[in-house]
Amino acid sequence: SQQGEEDPQALSIQEGENATMNCSYKTSINNLQWYRQNSGRGLVHLILIRSNEREKHSGRLRVTLDTSKKSSSLLITASRAADTASYFCATDEVGNEKLTFGTGTRLTIIP
Amino acid sequence: SQTIHQWPATLVQPVGSPLSLECTVEGTSNPNLYWYRQAAGRGLQLLFYSVGIGQISSEVPQNLSASRPQDRQFILSSKKLLLSDSGFYLCAWSEGRRETQYFGPGTRLLVL
Repeated sequence: SQQGEEDPQALSIQEGENATMNCSYKTSINNLQWYRQNSGRGLVHLILIRSNEREKHSGRLRVTLDTSKKSSSLLITASRAADTASYFCATDEVGNEKLTFGTGTRLTIIP
Repeated sequence: SQTIHQWPATLVQPVGSPLSLECTVEGTSNPNLYWYRQAAGRGLQLLFYSVGIGQISSEVPQNLSASRPQDRQFILSSKKLLLSDSGFYLCAWSEGRRETQYFGPGTRLLVL
């Protein structure tokens, strides 16, 4: 089945820098969601962007969606050590009626 | 506010033994419920979902089964565990099939 793919698989940056993660998918979607998972914990929903939206903000998070390229990006500005986690995109595909999760980007913030 | 509980948090079981993982949701009614499995360092694999009591859909043929005996209770079971059943099991709920999913803390299962 179609699955979102995050890029890069792993990212390490210095505290205070911005972190950008990308997600690509293959079919038409109703919405795309980003989740965060701290090690050994459940996933936490960050933001949902619908197919007719191009950009969305929530605090230090900025998500973009380009349906023509079938891609989304998650930008975390002014990163903090507490942002260290894995980040997953999940796509709600047209006609599928379920969320399909990618394999995630492991983000490490170096103090 | 809504909360989701999973137990146990950690479980070590021998091959061939039975399994029962429980998930309960508080503060909402008629939620959609999901069981996922996550292998180490990997994404989530949807195992089962339920849109109502007694209604279970299986996504992947496997050694596991699910039941929903009550509106806010979702149980993952196995009669005989395999080594390949080891993993991190996550329960989640949502208000609709396409909406935000809220995850429990997970159960780490190790089959030896």
